[in-house]
Amino acid sequence: GDSVTQMEGPVTLSEEAFLTINCTYTATGYPSLFWYVQYPGEGLQLLLKATKADDKGSNKGFEATYRKETTSFHLEKGSVQVSDSAVYFCALSDLHYGQNFVFGPGTRLSVLP
Amino acid sequence: GAVVSQHPSRVICKSGTSVKIECRSLDFQATTMFWYRQFPKQSLMLMATSNEGSKATYEQGVEKDKFLINHASLTLSTLTVTSAHPEDSSFYICSAIKMGGDQPQHFGDGTRLSIL
Repeated sequence: GDSVTQMEGPVTLSEEAFLTINCTYTATGYPSLFWYVQYPGEGLQLLLKATKADDKGSNKGFEATYRKETTSFHLEKGSVQVSDSAVYFCALSDLHYGQNFVFGPGTRLSVLP
Repeated sequence: GAVVSQHPSRVICKSGTSVKIECRSLDFQATTMFWYRQFPKQSLMLMATSNEGSKATYEQGVEKDKFLINHASLTLSTLTVTSAHPEDSSFYICSAIKMGGDQPQHFGDGTRLSIL
């Protein structure tokens, strides 16, 4: 079945550092790809998404590019802030938004001032 | 818009108690709601899909008699953990999809359930 793999955390960075969180997937067909963020004690919020190969999703300084050839959707941000501390989930779906989400295990990011 | 509210946000109760968690779509009608369970430092695991007016569809390994789901209206789904035990302690998150077409899931803020 479909699956999502993320780099293991936790990831600890200093403020203004560059962030990369790796995400790779296996899927039949052509899934849509998502990054969700979960702040402490809260549910998930959609951060960005991409629905086809070479699409770039971006939001709040974060971006990720749908790479079909490497089956990847790595999350990047050029300069992280303390407020970015959260758990980040990579996910795929067989629809643009999807009812059949497959989530990765999540990567916890801690940004130190 | 597209706000999903869960209640309660946190509950602590004794073993053997049944606990009801509500998931409401506040400003839209939701034909489908989902219930997820999240163990500490792990990802979300889909428990069941709830469609208004019909029986929920449970994922493999989820006990439907243990986790009762009722989707009585287009804005409310409830999850009842019956005769809860410490191993049921977890973070439960619901999401809802608006009526019509290929719509995004909107997630609630989750309910932390602790069984003593």
